[in-house]
Amino acid sequence: QSALTQPRSVSGSPGQSVTISCTGASSDVGGYNYVSWYQQHPGKAPKLMIYDVSKRPSGVPDRFSGSKSGNTASLTISGLQAEDEADYYCCSYAGSYTHYIFGTGTEVTVL
Amino acid sequence: QVQLVESGGGVVQPGRSLRLSCAASGFTFSSYGMHWVRQAPGKGLEWVAVISYDGSNKYYADSVKGRFTISRDNSKNTLYLQMNSLRAEDTAVYYCAKGGDFLYGSGSRTRYYFDYWGQGTLVTVSS
Repeated sequence: QSALTQPRSVSGSPGQSVTISCTGASSDVGGYNYVSWYQQHPGKAPKLMIYDVSKRPSGVPDRFSGSKSGNTASLTISGLQAEDEADYYCCSYAGSYTHYIFGTGTEVTVL
Repeated sequence: QVQLVESGGGVVQPGRSLRLSCAASGFTFSSYGMHWVRQAPGKGLEWVAVISYDGSNKYYADSVKGRFTISRDNSKNTLYLQMNSLRAEDTAVYYCAKGGDFLYGSGSRTRYYFDYWGQGTLVTVSS
């Protein structure tokens, strides 16, 4: 099964909002409320930012929010800060055969 | 705090084998499922395998099925990935990550995300 589709890059000025889309199919994103988002700085391990579509782990700023409509999930970063510059990956559970599919990744640039 | 430390990576020839380890601390290892996720150089993340908290259930990505084996030793708080018949396309940083099923009361539940990750270990398959 192919990776979930994300825009290659998005950018915004400090304080602005950016939204990253994650498009899949009814067999993954659309079929389960199990979309998660990960932030990865260069040379570092990924970090969980959002799970179960819209839940935020303890310690993640409330500037990060998630949502889903049909086969597309979205991550919104409000009040963009310099430290938000990183790669972001979505991931969806895809059933008992495929299990997990990651997105293609999006580079967020803070102008 | 939760710590996951991978080891065992290195350079290996195509067709050979390698075993990765992931030492866990800061949580009750035997109560949580664990995953391996990999990332080829300059590429995105790819889920590899998952094992249940007690080791009774194991699932694999199609790309590694039949070649890789995930296992765990709960007495040593350690997760393993045995990689056989390695190919050039297996070259990647391999991360262990906490997630999957977990003991909850008298049964178990499942978390469909990866809440903690190790720092990764690089595997290079090259002649």
